[in-house]
Amino acid sequence: EAQVTQNPRYLITVTGKKLTVTCSQNMNHEYMSWYRQDPGLGLRQIYYSMNVEVTDKGDVPEGYKVSRKEKRNFPLILESPSPNQTSLYFCASSLGADFMETQYFGPGTRLLVL
Amino acid sequence: AQSVAQPEDQVNVAEGNPLTVKCTYSVSGNPYLFWYVQYPNRGLQFLLKYITGDNLVKGSYGFEAEFNKSQTSFHLKKPSALVSDSALYFCAAKGGSYIPTFGRGTSLIVHP
Repeated sequence: EAQVTQNPRYLITVTGKKLTVTCSQNMNHEYMSWYRQDPGLGLRQIYYSMNVEVTDKGDVPEGYKVSRKEKRNFPLILESPSPNQTSLYFCASSLGADFMETQYFGPGTRLLVL
Repeated sequence: AQSVAQPEDQVNVAEGNPLTVKCTYSVSGNPYLFWYVQYPNRGLQFLLKYITGDNLVKGSYGFEAEFNKSQTSFHLKKPSALVSDSALYFCAAKGGSYIPTFGRGTSLIVHP
């Protein structure tokens, strides 16, 4: 089954404790991205990756890191989480970065930073 | 800068009635427009998109959307709403950027 998976689905942590949210897709997609969803703000893109070893900032990259060492994986790293990073996070992938491409979303990771 | 507006936080409609969820956009160049639906505790699912061509786009689950260039709108419609259509709906747009812009979302509630 074609899908985007994320782990963990739920995470509670404390300020400053490094964490990683994994994202994996099995569709051989080149383009992957991370979003955060906050009430009243919709989805905002954090980082995106056009292909292996190619990443770039989205609209709200501060406090986040990503890496793309393999085509299928695109982990999101919070080196020193803060309470304002409490949010619902989605990973997405698409065949390419072309404007017309449809994105496929993972189930989401709900993060609470105390 | 790109922007997408969904002017209604919530839309209420009775089952069997037509529904409309509004979206207006502002992008540079030709717009590429999308609608996604999000059910509780799930990720976003693609409904339909407009790239070029016919202004009326048909998508999944009986939904359609009408692209109106002069009004810069891309409203989502369905002729007859179902209770199971109740969900959060997001409009998204891309212009000359790889980064899509999403609206804030509209909660659709279909009453039995």
